[in-house]
Amino acid sequence: QSVLTQPPSVSGAPGQRITISCTGSGSNIGARYDVHWYQQLPGTAPKLLIFDNTNRPSGVPDRFSGSKSGTSASLAITGLQAEDEADYYCQSYDRSLSGHWVFGGGTKLTVL
Amino acid sequence: QLQLQESGPRLVKPSETLSLTCTVSGGSISSSSHYWGWIRQPPGKGLEWIGSFYYIGTTYYTPSLKSRVTISVDTSKNLFSLKLSSVTAADTAVYYCARHSSNYFLSYFDFWGQGTLVTVSS
Repeated sequence: QSVLTQPPSVSGAPGQRITISCTGSGSNIGARYDVHWYQQLPGTAPKLLIFDNTNRPSGVPDRFSGSKSGTSASLAITGLQAEDEADYYCQSYDRSLSGHWVFGGGTKLTVL
Repeated sequence: QLQLQESGPRLVKPSETLSLTCTVSGGSISSSSHYWGWIRQPPGKGLEWIGSFYYIGTTYYTPSLKSRVTISVDTSKNLFSLKLSSVTAADTAVYYCARHSSNYFLSYFDFWGQGTLVTVSS
């Protein structure tokens, strides 16, 4: 049971826009801790995709964007491409007994 | 370019101790700018942060594993290690080492090793 809740799966056709939600609580996202997102392509290590809620590391296309409001955050991907098919994870800090740095359960994105 | 490489036994027997090492190149684990940690991922499941350390000697562990986990550091060799005792099949996972930013409450993992699958089985 992850502290941060993500939908297990989302799907979209090439060119479409999808969003992935990350729902937390008052001890993590709601406590104003930043949310970060990772992309994990099949068989590879996770890669930082969005940091500090909205920022993209160098090399990440601007098709990827992040937002945060209240106790939730979202990752949006526009102009969906086949190579975006991957698992996506949100991550934040949690000040409860759950631990320090916590991940969401992950969302499998399927490009139809 | 920063690189992290995990190494260690791929097969561990139940009740024994899992030991992994992360060798860092292209950067220093003694840097004040970063934490260094371990994350694991059971087959087909999500990511779980295990623990991290900061260069001044502070270590942090996830509560569910705290009684079994030790992270140690060898600054002369620029590497850090993970020991997980009394393992069971539930500890079978891909283990990643990673670097994360030193903004404690805002920290994110910006560099990852390729990961190593450790199987617990007799």
